[in-house]
Amino acid sequence: AQSVTQPDIHITVSEGASLELRCNYSYGATPYLFWYVQSPGQGLQLLLKYFSGDTLVQGIKGFEAEFKRSQSSFNLRKPSVHWSDAAEYFCAVGGLSFGAGTTVTVRA
Amino acid sequence: NAGVTQTPKFQVLKTGQSMTLQCAQDMNHNSMYWYRQDPGMGLRLIYYSASEGTTDKGEVPNGYNVSRLNKREFSLRLESAAPSQTSVYFCASGDYRYEQYFGPGTRLTVT
Repeated sequence: AQSVTQPDIHITVSEGASLELRCNYSYGATPYLFWYVQSPGQGLQLLLKYFSGDTLVQGIKGFEAEFKRSQSSFNLRKPSVHWSDAAEYFCAVGGLSFGAGTTVTVRA
Repeated sequence: NAGVTQTPKFQVLKTGQSMTLQCAQDMNHNSMYWYRQDPGMGLRLIYYSASEGTTDKGEVPNGYNVSRLNKREFSLRLESAAPSQTSVYFCASGDYRYEQYFGPGTRLTVT
């Protein structure tokens, strides 16, 4: 059975600092992998996706993610966060299995 | 181009009442999905429709029914609402490798 784990429920980061959100999964093969972002009161927006090929993928809003097969991970990173990055972030595996989410707070 | 639209945005029901949540997309996608979002649990798939005329159960289908009315529209029906169905409901559509585009959600409270 597929499962997705986002180990960090809540992360607080200073504006301008780097951010890394973790995602681990259990899946039978190399899955399709996604990160979505949800601003308060809004629907989810696709940040980036991995299907195959280069394991470092670039997304919108300056985010990137790296697929590591050996660790069954797909971690999301941003070098320098902006106050507008405060939101909830969801990892999705195989398209239909979502993690519980990580809430990011950005302090000035 | 509105993307995915959902109606209503908010709804309060009493236990036992019924209602239908509406979803429409204008991106010509074949696949459509219904999820519920509860605190600390992420999104859980209720039903999905891979193409017009087909529907399949997801992780949490009990208490719900769906209709894929045409390629654009996918509705979710609660026949007899229960407090456990208090949640935020999201509709999504997509085509390529489960990449999905989400609507703004319907916040449902059952008292």
